Amino acid sequence: KAGVTQTPRYLIKTRGQQVTLSCSPISGHRSVSWYQQTPGQGLQFLFEYFSETQRNKGNFPGRFSGRQFSNSRSEMNVSTLELGDSALYLCASSLAPERTEAFFGQGTRLTVV
Amino acid sequence: AQTVTQSQPEMSVQEAETVTLSCTYDTSESNYYLFWYKQPPSRQMILVIRQEAYKQQNATENRFSVNFQKAAKSFSLKISDSQLGDTAMYFCAFMSFNAGNMLTFGGGTRLMVKP
Repeated sequence: KAGVTQTPRYLIKTRGQQVTLSCSPISGHRSVSWYQQTPGQGLQFLFEYFSETQRNKGNFPGRFSGRQFSNSRSEMNVSTLELGDSALYLCASSLAPERTEAFFGQGTRLTVV
Repeated sequence: AQTVTQSQPEMSVQEAETVTLSCTYDTSESNYYLFWYKQPPSRQMILVIRQEAYKQQNATENRFSVNFQKAAKSFSLKISDSQLGDTAMYFCAFMSFNAGNMLTFGGGTRLMVKP
């Protein structure tokens, strides 16, 4: 069974640009969550999608957005990139909408220069 | 809002010995899950062990076990017979029954297993 796939693995962008990251969950999983990991702030929850609907949202500015497609694949978008957006972005998928084990992808390392 | 605190930024242990990682949390909720995740240099977060708050029995997975003290809001991880492959960052995480699959993580403990 294939795991959670995140693409791309590495990305370098310039300040002010926008970026889109992709996450393909484990087959059959319908819940996808996104996390930002930085040395200073640690792991922070961005948002969760289930059945194409955003269920939870963390405390991030509106420049961070996401969506989920009918096949459960999810994308997150960051507009007007800032240097502080440099981070490892992790995606996790879960089978059910609530209280189940989260399986993580290997992440996308975003560097903003 | 929940908070999770891991007070040990770094720890080391000799191969084959036992080590305990600490975690405390703060919540006003009575129903929740607690997790320990491992993040090796490959960066992929791997679930080590999970504890349901309504269960009094401490969870065990092979060499990994927890000491869950609900009243004290403490959730420590014990690794027995440490192996070189256990070298990684370990994160304690909280999941409320009322917040979907959202995880709140602690700051992590970097564990080094020495040969």
